[in-house]
Amino acid sequence: DIVMTQTPLSSPVTLGQPASISCRSSQSLVHSDGNTYLSWLQQRPGQPPRLLIYKISNRFSGVPDRFSGSGAGTDFTLKISRVEAEDVGVYYCMQVTQFPITFGQGTRLEIK
Amino acid sequence: VQLVESGGGVVQPGGSLRLSCIVSGFTFRDYGMHWVRQAPGKGLEWLTFIRYDGSSENYAASVKGRFTISRDNSKNTLYLQMSSLRPEDTAVYYCAKSCSIGSCYPDYWGQGTLVTVSS
Repeated sequence: DIVMTQTPLSSPVTLGQPASISCRSSQSLVHSDGNTYLSWLQQRPGQPPRLLIYKISNRFSGVPDRFSGSGAGTDFTLKISRVEAEDVGVYYCMQVTQFPITFGQGTRLEIK
Repeated sequence: VQLVESGGGVVQPGGSLRLSCIVSGFTFRDYGMHWVRQAPGKGLEWLTFIRYDGSSENYAASVKGRFTISRDNSKNTLYLQMSSLRPEDTAVYYCAKSCSIGSCYPDYWGQGTLVTVSS
């Protein structure tokens, strides 16, 4: 199984400041079709997960442009350019390149 | 797009339960579907996937042989039949739409249904 490791596990951030979350996979996420199926999800308190980013860097419908994704191979990053109060929650990376689909442990974003 | 899970509740260890996920707002028969769960206070765990036409399924090791995913495209409904339930199966269960006919990132999620396995 592909192990997804996120850092940090907790990230206190000041409103208006940037935030960054890293995700590393135990093996390359490049699929045989050439795509890299690395996604980022947001889970606000008491809510279901919500897709933010797919295939490393594509923002899903309705996702603000302050969210961006980057990376390649086994190392990926989610960045929030200016954190807003509504961004509080837990962020997960996930890979769907290979079964079983696996998630990172989650990173809790909180406001200082 | 809406996905609405139902069927959760309290069940004794060793018991069975069937979850349903009724969808609307997209052509159900054109997309694969996932089930994902989240134990209380824990992270997300992918459980199973079914292709758009039901021709293929995949399972996590933790549920293989105990859980069965299925779908009825005429009813826009996804199912998860759970048997031999254990206390560690206690979780919120989410259905999620795949981005394509095959396995792909889940792009829309339901609100979840809580399953509690306890005597």
